[in-house]
Amino acid sequence: ETGVTQTPRHLVMGMTNKKSLKCEQHLGHNAMYWYKQSAKKPLELMFVYSLEERVENNSVPSRFSPECPNSSHLFLHLHTLQPEDSALYLCASRPGTRNTGELFFGEGSRLTVL
Amino acid sequence: QQPVQSPQAVILREGEDAVINCSSSKALYSVHWYRQKHGEAPVFLMILLKGGEQKGHDKISASFNEKKQQSSLYLTASQLSYSGTYFCGTDHPLTGKLIFGQGTTLQVKP
Repeated sequence: ETGVTQTPRHLVMGMTNKKSLKCEQHLGHNAMYWYKQSAKKPLELMFVYSLEERVENNSVPSRFSPECPNSSHLFLHLHTLQPEDSALYLCASRPGTRNTGELFFGEGSRLTVL
Repeated sequence: QQPVQSPQAVILREGEDAVINCSSSKALYSVHWYRQKHGEAPVFLMILLKGGEQKGHDKISASFNEKKQQSSLYLTASQLSYSGTYFCGTDHPLTGKLIFGQGTTLQVKP
């Protein structure tokens, strides 16, 4: 238990569906991250949020839409995905972006796009 | 720019040593090391900061040479529990952009 909780743990969706992944941290951290993990690109940074503001968008397609309503919650909204988007999506948090502290990862949400 | 790890995979017998290298084409401010076991989230091992420091964590230690823009992870007298995929990550001090290498898979056999 790292203090970072992701839901759902598994998700199967069609290419026309709209779904969301949720991440919640109880560590009092101000920075939250989304990573995509697949066999081709093991830990690929997607988004970085600091104090609810997006500070990094790592050239991610617009079919992925992040939302950070407060420093404890992070969402990844998914729409019109492609089969190649099937992967494990990992959320992580740390005290701040200008802090070289460690990342605390959630268990991940396993996404399958049919 | 993604750091490059070598080797891609290592197979060891219990008690043997291993070294995993991480290099970057850009200046390094700090280097993170994580281990991920199959089906689990990555777990933090250590952070190394500028200054050529070395750190240790049980029988796992690491060095950071900022001039050479590289870091090495040393696993001494490996145990079965060391098996997993090891990732190094390079951290930008202002943006918090933490980019990971492609990973090194370590398998320790009895």
